[in-house]
Amino acid sequence: AQKVTQAQTEISVVEKEDVTLDCVYETRDTTYYLFWYKQPPSGELVFLIRRNSFDEQNEISGRYSWNFQKSTSSFNFTITASQVVDSAVYFCALRGRYSGGGADGLTFGKGTHLIIQP
Amino acid sequence: KAGVTQTPRYLIKTRGQQVTLSCSPISGHRSVSWYQQTPGQGLQFLFEYFSETQRNKGNFPGRFSGRQFSNSRSEMNVSTLELGDSALYLCASRERTDLNTEAFFGQGTRLTVV
Repeated sequence: AQKVTQAQTEISVVEKEDVTLDCVYETRDTTYYLFWYKQPPSGELVFLIRRNSFDEQNEISGRYSWNFQKSTSSFNFTITASQVVDSAVYFCALRGRYSGGGADGLTFGKGTHLIIQP
Repeated sequence: KAGVTQTPRYLIKTRGQQVTLSCSPISGHRSVSWYQQTPGQGLQFLFEYFSETQRNKGNFPGRFSGRQFSNSRSEMNVSTLELGDSALYLCASRERTDLNTEAFFGQGTRLTVV
C-alpha cells in the first residue's frame, strides 16, 4: 500500500522566516511521482511541483525549494523568507502504479497548515 | 484557458437523499478524477474517468458512482446519503493519464448532509 506522511499538522512562523514542510512516503513501486499542492482558503488545490523517482536533483523556484532524498523516502519543501500570502494548507502526494486503491490515483498526506504571521 | 469548474459550490442535503455533483474539466483534458476531503480522513481518491470509461476506483462503497460524457464533463452521484458523506468533493482534470501528468483541481463542492 502507498502512504504519505506529513507529521507536521500545523506550523506557525513570523513573516520572513524560513520554513520547511516535511513529507515522508512509502511505496513498493520503483517508478512513482511525488507532488506538492497548496490549498488556500478558497479550496482548490494548486499544483506546485512534480518529481519523479529517478530524479533526485533538488529544485529551486524563487522562494520555494524542494529536497528529494530517495534514501530516506523524503520529499521536503522549504519556503525561504516566508510571506503572509504563503499561508495555506500544503499537501504532499504520491502517484504510483497502484496508488490510491487503484492505478494512478493520487495518495495524499494529511496536509500541513502553514500560518505566516505578519 | 478556463480552469476546472465544479457546480454547485455548496449543497445541503438530508440523510437518505441522493446528490449529483458536476465537473467541467479544462478544455482539452480528457481525464477527470474525483476526491473526497474530510477533516478526519483527509483527501481520498474516489475514481478516475478517461474517454467516458472508469479507469480506476478508490476504496468507497457502491453508493458513490460517476460518469463521464463525450465532452469530458463528469458527474458524481452519491445515493442514500449518510452524515459521514459531508465533505468537500474535489474534481481534478488531466491532459493525459501518464503517471507524471499533473492534475488541476477545481474549487470543490461543499456537501453538508443533515
